[in-house]
Amino acid sequence: EAGVAQSPRYKIIEKRQSVAFWCNPISGHATLYWYQQILGQGPKLLIQFQNNGVVDDSQLPKDRFSAERLKGVDSTLKIQPAKLEDSAVYLCASSFSLTGRNGYTFGSGTRLTVV
Amino acid sequence: AQTVTQSQPEMSVQEAETVTLSCTYDTSESDYYLFWYKQPPSRQMILVIRQEAYKQQNATENRFSVNFQKAAKSFSLKISDSQLGDAAMYFCAYNPGANSKLTFGKGITLSVRP
Repeated sequence: EAGVAQSPRYKIIEKRQSVAFWCNPISGHATLYWYQQILGQGPKLLIQFQNNGVVDDSQLPKDRFSAERLKGVDSTLKIQPAKLEDSAVYLCASSFSLTGRNGYTFGSGTRLTVV
Repeated sequence: AQTVTQSQPEMSVQEAETVTLSCTYDTSESDYYLFWYKQPPSRQMILVIRQEAYKQQNATENRFSVNFQKAAKSFSLKISDSQLGDAAMYFCAYNPGANSKLTFGKGITLSVRP
């Protein structure tokens, strides 16, 4: 089966600019996650979708970050305006079940550099 | 709140030798799931092994095995016959099962010496 697709692979922007990331999960996976991984740290959940509904966005900085999953398939994560501290790898993952008890399948991530 | 602690930032192992990576976690749940993920330079997180807390038997996957000590809240990963391709960052992760939020530790960088 095809894996989790993410684009772009790299992005460099200036602070205060906007940026968007795209993710296409594994076909049939109802649950989709966006994680932020700052250099030297473990990934931190930003938002979790079940189909096209939000399950958990408690750690999403909603003043500048937004995400949507229209039609319950692919998803976009947007940052506007970007800050220097947003420099990180943004990982998308998907799982078949809501509980994720079998683990997730991750994409290769987008490395964002804000200068 | 659940926390996952990986106190060793780096480890090194000689090719063909065995290495153990440590992880502790904190939870008040009795049923949960634990994972080890590998992240090579390509950045893609790869599931290495999974343990269900209600199972006393330690999980094994080929050269990878865990030592799960539920009372001590410890979950270490043993890599036997280390290979150059095992060099990567390894993350321990916890899932309470009620929702699927994975909480990760800070990770450990494993290098393999030829």
